[in-house]
Amino acid sequence: DQQVKQNSPSLSVQEGRISILNCDYTNSMFDYFLWYKKYPAEGPTFLISISSIKDKNEDGRFTVFLNKSAKHLSLHIVPSQPGDSAVYFCAASALKGAQKLVFGQGTRLTINP
Amino acid sequence: GAVVSQHPSWVICKSGTSVKIECRSLDFQATTMFWYRQFPKQSLMLMATSNEGSKATYEQGVEKDKFLINHASLTLSTLTVTSAHPEDSSFYICSARDLGQGFSPLHFGNGTRLTVT
Repeated sequence: DQQVKQNSPSLSVQEGRISILNCDYTNSMFDYFLWYKKYPAEGPTFLISISSIKDKNEDGRFTVFLNKSAKHLSLHIVPSQPGDSAVYFCAASALKGAQKLVFGQGTRLTINP
Repeated sequence: GAVVSQHPSWVICKSGTSVKIECRSLDFQATTMFWYRQFPKQSLMLMATSNEGSKATYEQGVEKDKFLINHASLTLSTLTVTSAHPEDSSFYICSARDLGQGFSPLHFGNGTRLTVT
């Protein structure tokens, strides 16, 4: 049972344009959401997070949007840069309890010059 | 920022042998560390939650006798893959959260690529 889903395995975007990565979740107990960036043979690097009390969080070029009613979140990167090319994982957790993260399958983002 | 160090970064071992992977939080303390596994082009799957001073909590389907976890101090957790087989070949990643930061994002090590021949 995939509780966190990233339905797009890959995305290709022109440099300078906006990259939008999507994520859906099914578990209504999740109330904290994160995006991680990962290069091959490395561990994930934290990018940005959002709690369920908010619907938007912005940090520089990165903005995460949360739609609780749709159980959907998205990561916007603007402007996209070649260095943004990586695999992006969406993750979710419940603030109470074990606080363990459940990851989506990942989306490979390629920024074309 | 919080740094998690994982060692070794890669290891090749023969079938039937055991391999130990270390995970250290370098500049913070962590009562809880998490061990993940990633197969090629797949998601990170949580294997177990490592608790300092007590037994680890394993996810469903993960054999606790095969994947031994020890969390002897607030900065070190180890994962031992016992009697490794080729199907255990994978990318193992540990993570930890800074105790002093309340609920803060998990910080990940750089992972260990295990190849069992």
